[in-house]
Amino acid sequence: GESVGLHLPTLSVQEGDNSIINCAYSNSASDYFIWYKQESGKGPQFIIDIRSNMDKRQGQRVTVLLNKTVKHLSLQIAATQPGDSAVYFCAEPRLSGGNMLTFGGGTRLMVKP
Amino acid sequence: KAGVTQTPRYLIKTRGQQVTLSCSPISGHRSVSWYQQTPGQGLQFLFEYFSETQRNKGNFPGRFSGRQFSNSRSEMNVSTLELGDSALYLCASSLEGRVTEAFFGQGTRLTVV
Repeated sequence: GESVGLHLPTLSVQEGDNSIINCAYSNSASDYFIWYKQESGKGPQFIIDIRSNMDKRQGQRVTVLLNKTVKHLSLQIAATQPGDSAVYFCAEPRLSGGNMLTFGGGTRLMVKP
Repeated sequence: KAGVTQTPRYLIKTRGQQVTLSCSPISGHRSVSWYQQTPGQGLQFLFEYFSETQRNKGNFPGRFSGRQFSNSRSEMNVSTLELGDSALYLCASSLEGRVTEAFFGQGTRLTVV
């Protein structure tokens, strides 16, 4: 079945360092993944997405890598800033249609000044 | 344009009571999805409504129900509240077929005592 999970519940990094948040999935037929950021008191906010025909996609200070061989994806944040402190989720749309997302457990990113 | 609006923001109810939460989607969005977020279970899909019809349903008991009105506004209802229903309830709206552009509201924090 569809399943998306995260490796680490909490990640603490120094301001200015790069952050890497990991996510594993179990369905080899999965063809689309989305990363969300959720700040305290807010709903999840779209960061970046990637399709299974890609290995890498870059945004502004963020990069998502997809390794289909081991069914793993990661979100890399360059030059992490205090404003990046949040919980990050990977998510996967339902394969059979509709606007339904299956979320991973989430990783809390804490940025130390 | 206005974002997704959820009301109320906070709610305290007693076990056994019922509660109704409201979600007003972004103008033009006809798909509304509901999610429950708890520390233990993370973000879990409740149901999705499109054009006043429930299109997808998550694995929740029948005490959880919802509906969508002709103006796309949606409500969800939880009857016979249990302590375990305490959670942040999030609503997301999107255009048809554009789950990657799902916009989340700030959520309703429900506490059952």
